[in-house]
Amino acid sequence: NAGVMQNPRHLVRRRGQEARLRCSPVKGHSHVYWYRQLPEEGLKFMVYLQKENIIDESGMPKERFSAEFPKEGPSILRIQQVVRGDSAAYFCASSPLWSSGANVLTFGAGSRLTVL
Amino acid sequence: GQQLNQSPQSMFIQEGEDVSMNCTSSSIFNTWLWYKQDPGEGPVLLIALYKAGELTSNGRLTAQFGITRKDSFLNISASIPSDVGIYFCAGQMNYGGSQGNLIFGKGTKLSVKP
Repeated sequence: NAGVMQNPRHLVRRRGQEARLRCSPVKGHSHVYWYRQLPEEGLKFMVYLQKENIIDESGMPKERFSAEFPKEGPSILRIQQVVRGDSAAYFCASSPLWSSGANVLTFGAGSRLTVL
Repeated sequence: GQQLNQSPQSMFIQEGEDVSMNCTSSSIFNTWLWYKQDPGEGPVLLIALYKAGELTSNGRLTAQFGITRKDSFLNISASIPSDVGIYFCAGQMNYGGSQGNLIFGKGTKLSVKP
């Protein structure tokens, strides 16, 4: 019974390149959330998705960042033209369809992006 | 934006000691959560609180949801070496059906006294 799987665990990119981070939710979970964690900081909400729908993207930067959760396959967080300030750990969490409380969010181990 | 003030920022513990940390907010939350994060890993939920005044335990951990809905504390009794890590509080407002918009504190780093 695998938990939330994120890959890659570590990613190094040069400025201007693209970064793609993948998240496979817990089997049976249909809600996916992405969070960003800067060094020595707490996690900051970015986006909440259901299959083929963005529900809340209030935490996403307006440019260069996009997220999707297709009908088939993992959720993808895409960062175009990366800059040094994008270096961070990106965490994905998932929850079941009819969650009634926040305690059903299960977090992955994170993807650590380093921009040179 | 909304912020949670978590304190202390860091603390050293000796095995057997009790530990306390707390979070305060200028906003009211419907849910308070406490997570622990080990190096290189994602946060793991320790305790969830849903009602003002609620006191909940999970083994040696006890957490309370403040009456004003603007604060929470976490106590760890009789600490052991594996308690080392970073503890985060998180608040949630539960608006519009979006249940993932957690606001996190900056964390309390627990280390073992040298």
